[in-house]
Amino acid sequence: QKEVEQDPGPLSVPEGAIVSLNCTYSNSAFQYFMWYRQYSRKGPELLMYTYSSGNKEDGRFTAQVDKSSKYISLFIRDSQPSDSATYLCAMSGGNTDKLIFGTGTRLQVFP
Amino acid sequence: DADVTQTPRNRITKTGKRIMLECSQTKGHDRMYWYRQDPGLGLRLIYYSFDVKDINKGEISDGYSVSRQAQAKFSLSLESAIPNQTALYFCATSETNQGDKLFFGSGTQLSVL
Repeated sequence: QKEVEQDPGPLSVPEGAIVSLNCTYSNSAFQYFMWYRQYSRKGPELLMYTYSSGNKEDGRFTAQVDKSSKYISLFIRDSQPSDSATYLCAMSGGNTDKLIFGTGTRLQVFP
Repeated sequence: DADVTQTPRNRITKTGKRIMLECSQTKGHDRMYWYRQDPGLGLRLIYYSFDVKDINKGEISDGYSVSRQAQAKFSLSLESAIPNQTALYFCATSETNQGDKLFFGSGTQLSVL
């Protein structure tokens, strides 16, 4: 079993939809949770960063961490075609000082 | 200008050739990393370096070597390229320990024929 599981998609939604992207993990020691966005042929860029449990909001993006369920989510409100990208979750903590990445979910938002 | 610069952007080479991918950064970070990305497998760590005198193997270091020439420069070498090393390669930097936020370059698409 992988330490971090992420549905690869692709996920195709109409413009304006609410998008939910999710990851599950197995290591209960993880404390740092991130979401990266990667456009085609570009490097990943950090989108959201959360320490421990709870929610974090930044504009149209909300990151949620549920440590009891070992489950993290990224919500995108009012999705736009420019949100079309691959979204990777990543996490670290405990005796893992390196980031462990999910395989990424490809999102397409059509006009 | 990009904070993390990778060269070349694309490279096609033949089996058995030695090639080097280069990475330079202007962020002033001590930590540098090399990852490869394959469809369905995500990002996998090849090597990482916490400072100029520190080199560590990642999960898939076989067939690769690295050199940390300076704080700002970290190169990845394939001593004898093979087709299953065809992938998208990323260099990344970070500033601190746990909870690192990684900053990635734009990647090098490598094809080994």
